[in-house]
Amino acid sequence: GAGVSQSPSNKVTEKGKDVELRCDPISGHTALYWYRQSLGQGLEFLIYFQGNSAPDKSGLPSDRFSAERTGGSVSTLTIQRTQQEDSAVYLCASSQRRGGETQYFGPGTRLLVL
Amino acid sequence: QKEVEQNSGPLSVPEGAIASLNCTYSDRGSQSFFWYRQYSGKSPELIMSIYSNGDKEDGRFTAQLNKASQYVSLLIRDSQPSDSATYLCAVNYGGSQGNLIFGKGTKLSVKP
Repeated sequence: GAGVSQSPSNKVTEKGKDVELRCDPISGHTALYWYRQSLGQGLEFLIYFQGNSAPDKSGLPSDRFSAERTGGSVSTLTIQRTQQEDSAVYLCASSQRRGGETQYFGPGTRLLVL
Repeated sequence: QKEVEQNSGPLSVPEGAIASLNCTYSDRGSQSFFWYRQYSGKSPELIMSIYSNGDKEDGRFTAQLNKASQYVSLLIRDSQPSDSATYLCAVNYGGSQGNLIFGKGTKLSVKP
């Protein structure tokens, strides 16, 4: 089927505004991940969902960041009161079953906070 | 602190040569190892996965794993300009967390 999809592909916002980023994983994949990649940097883990288990939120950089996954499928990453340092590419990935298996990445959302 | 280390490069090789990309990791409990390729402005795409000591070959790509030395490498034979990208090494440490720990990547440039 289709790969991981993310929307929007680009988002420009003003400092202090809230933004929502969406991820639609590959159908049947139970694990979903969010990463952040700043310009020229590596991937920074944010949060991991596995089935109906409580998410691993250990990578979220502050309480302005939160994520939900509804019905075990689509996920939304919300950034409240955005700051300029939040500007980055936000990547979503999914894998078939438990963590540790191959992760397939979406195209990312490029967020620019002015 | 679990870490994955890569030489940031850039690694420059002539077309047709073998490119060797290296990665070391800090935790002996690591179970799964992955190489991703990321073109500029694009998202990472999986090149190879390896789980057992030794070599694993797929076309022009060979992944090598040495758990005793905590070392994983990727060899690209007959390098092509289209191989020019950043190569990310990723390690899964198992346990309850499912996330991969990524290295910062090695930028490879293949010169025609």
